[in-house]
Amino acid sequence: SYVLTQPPSVSVAPGQTARITCGGNNIGSKSVHWYQQRPGQAPVLVVYDDSDRPSGIPERFSGSNSGNTATLTISRVEAGDEADYYCQVWDSSSDHWVFGGGTKLTVL
Amino acid sequence: EVQLVESGGGLVQPGGSLRLSCAVSGFTFRTYDMHWVRQTTGRGLEWVSGIGTAGDTYYADSVKGRFTISREDAENSFYLQMNSLRAGDTAVYYCARVGCDGDCYDYWGQGVLVAVSS
Repeated sequence: SYVLTQPPSVSVAPGQTARITCGGNNIGSKSVHWYQQRPGQAPVLVVYDDSDRPSGIPERFSGSNSGNTATLTISRVEAGDEADYYCQVWDSSSDHWVFGGGTKLTVL
Repeated sequence: EVQLVESGGGLVQPGGSLRLSCAVSGFTFRTYDMHWVRQTTGRGLEWVSGIGTAGDTYYADSVKGRFTISREDAENSFYLQMNSLRAGDTAVYYCARVGCDGDCYDYWGQGVLVAVSS
């Protein structure tokens, strides 16, 4: 089955840029989606189809996808961005929807 | 406003059964695929099952043969019948609407806890 690999944690100072990676075999050929989950809350879609933002999501959130790595970039990080972030794809070969293991973003 | 509300969770013994429900509002339910996603305590998200607008169903390997997903468009609801429950099924279960042409989850419920323990 298809596997997505994320770093367990990323730390960044306020105002800096956070980059969270998501690795997968030829992930560049798939559409990657990213979710933010704050403690005790349901996940929220922050980037879809590699780099598009749902309405209401700040422009500070952006994404890219190429080769074997997709990246969620959060610019001008704020304290409120502290959360767990998950990448997700649909694996057409198995008709399974797959999540990465999640990355905890800590704002120092 | 799009809303998804889960119900039916609780404590059940190993080998037991539970039926989760997800009631939706704020959109034309019959035109969307709907899924269940779970999250074990302190762990990540895991896709569980999905149902298409035509009633086509999909299951994770870990629940295939034990869980059954269904929908009732007239009631704006879909369901997850969980049988032969195991301790490893203990999790918060979220219902979610599928967007992005069938790829992503654009709306989620608040989650319901299922605890499997003797």
